[in-house]
Order: sequence, then structure tokens, then C-alpha cells
Amino acid sequence: AQSVTQLDSQVPVFEEAPVELRCNYSSSVSVYLFWYVQYPNQGLQLLLKYLSGSTLVESINGFEAEFNKSQTSFHLRKPSVHISDTAEYFCAVTRGGGADGLTFGKGTHLIIQP
Amino acid sequence: ETGVTQTPRHLVMGMTNKKSLKCEQHLGHNAMYWYKQSAKKPLELMFVYNFKEQTENNSVPSRFSPECPNSSHLFLHLHTLQPEDSALYLCASSPSGQKNIQYFGAGTRLSVL
Repeated sequence: AQSVTQLDSQVPVFEEAPVELRCNYSSSVSVYLFWYVQYPNQGLQLLLKYLSGSTLVESINGFEAEFNKSQTSFHLRKPSVHISDTAEYFCAVTRGGGADGLTFGKGTHLIIQP
Repeated sequence: ETGVTQTPRHLVMGMTNKKSLKCEQHLGHNAMYWYKQSAKKPLELMFVYNFKEQTENNSVPSRFSPECPNSSHLFLHLHTLQPEDSALYLCASSPSGQKNIQYFGAGTRLSVL
């Protein structure tokens, strides 16, 4: 079984400041890792994923995450946030290789302050 | 638009009602999922279907009854629900046998009175 821990339920950040949203996971097998974003009254949108290869993955809107196997972490970062980044961010893991459900963390609400 | 459509977007029902949630995907995927998102709790996997066969039931009460008539459609039939079943119900699909990248619908916001 896998588990995901997102320690911060809320992260307030000033606009144009950097941000890091933390995610740690636990699993006895190799996993695939994901960050999803949920804007108000919407479903989840895939932000970025780690499947294999380079441990640093990037999204098209400036977010990046680094897979650290020794630390069992997959923290999400952005060097400069915008008001439009205000949303709920979910870290998730799956064993992959088939139709396996995702195990999610509790989510982190990113609040951008002007 | 993710290619996964859920209807209705909002639903209010009494505890004695019977209703159904519908999910349709236009992505050619073979796996479909139901998740429950309650306030203050992580998203919970409910059911997994792969090539129309149920492959996972995450200890969901029998008042929730899924149906997958084909790889493009997934239903969640609801009957005699409880107020604590009020939540956002999310459907997802993925290409089975690959790296399980799941695409989500916008969800159905269910309120049980």
C-alpha cells in the first residue's frame, strides 16, 4: 500500500514570490508520482508527472517538481507565483503499469496575496 | 476540457431517492475510475473498471452501485444515501496498460438531505 503526506494544508505567499509545496510518500514498490491542481468548482487537472528518467520534471506554466528517492519526496516549486495560481494542489502516487487507482495527499491550498 | 464529461454537475437528493451519476470519456481510454472528495479528507478511490470489468472496490457501501456498459461510459447508481455521502464525486479515465496517467472530469456535487 502507498500513502502520501502533504504537511501544509495552506500556504500563503505574496505575488511574485517563490513557493514550495511539500509532498512525501511511502511505498514498498516503485511508484509513479503526480501533482494535480484543482481550481474552485472544477475537477482535477494534471500539472506534472514523474514516470521515469530525469528526476526534475516541469510543467508548461512554470512549476517544477523533483523526485528524490532517498528522501521519498516530490516537492513542487515555482520561482514566481501569480494570482492565477491560487488553487488546491494535490500530490498523488500510483504503482502504475495498469489500471491502478491513485492515492492522494490531503491537498495544499495555495493562497496568493497581492 | 479534459475529454471526460460528468453529468449532472450538481445534484440534490433525499435519503429515499434513487439517482444516477454519469461519466463519459472521449479519449479512447480503457480504464475508468470513481473517486469521492469530501471536505477535509483526501480524495478516496471508490471503484476501478478496466475493459468494462470491475477490478477494484475500495470497501464502498452497497448503496453505491457502479455500472460500466462500455469503455466510454461509467455510471454510479445511488440509493438510500446518507447525509455524510454529500461530496464531490469525480470520474477519471486512463489508458490501461500504460503509465496510468488519469484524466478527471469536473465532478458532480452531490448534496443528500
